[in-house]
Amino acid sequence: QVQLVQSGAEVKKPGSSVRVSCTASGGRFSNYVFSWVRQAPGQGLEWVGTIVPSFGTPTYAQKFQDRVTITADESTSTTNLELSSLTSGDTAFYYCVRDRGAGAWFDPWGQGTLVTVSS
Amino acid sequence: NFMLTQPHSVSESPGKTVTISCTRSGGAIVSSYVQWYQQRPGSSPTAVIYEDKLRPSGVPERFSGSVDSASNSAFLTISGLKTEDEADYYCQSYDGAIKAFGGGTRLTVL
Repeated sequence: QVQLVQSGAEVKKPGSSVRVSCTASGGRFSNYVFSWVRQAPGQGLEWVGTIVPSFGTPTYAQKFQDRVTITADESTSTTNLELSSLTSGDTAFYYCVRDRGAGAWFDPWGQGTLVTVSS
Repeated sequence: NFMLTQPHSVSESPGKTVTISCTRSGGAIVSSYVQWYQQRPGSSPTAVIYEDKLRPSGVPERFSGSVDSASNSAFLTISGLKTEDEADYYCQSYDGAIKAFGGGTRLTVL
């Protein structure tokens, strides 16, 4: 049973970048597919992007295409999300999830990492 | 691009049955599987239905999912409502490699 543990909360200035990490345990990392989902305070869920570690090339939501990078490191069983040119609108919980099955459903979810963007 | 639209909120009494809709625009609902997630305050979401109608291990049979091509919608039905079912519910689907969530429905059990 895979478990996902994310890095801790971050506070960033507008215009800067943030990196959130997610370490998987309990399975073979290269067999999995991972996505990142974010949720602004009091708002709904928003898909950010997906990576297949064995292939390496991620897919991003068009909204984030020009300022997001998702990577995967099999040696550390870690997937990372990096978001640049931060604004207050990027203040949100960022969740790491595993894609499962033919329907690409999300399970499990990491505990979430709060990124706060404030001057 | 496709979108999933849910009602903002629904409410029902304990013991009753409630159905939450998720309508797809920009493609057929039957073209891709639909998932449903429950999120209680302060917690990460968890799946209650995947691949249209399947329940993950541990999810009560009171939760069921369906899809209707005529209305181009998916539905989450919760029967025998309990106060613990009060939460936000999100549908999710995909179009190729692109994934999306509905806006979420707040279920109040009163």
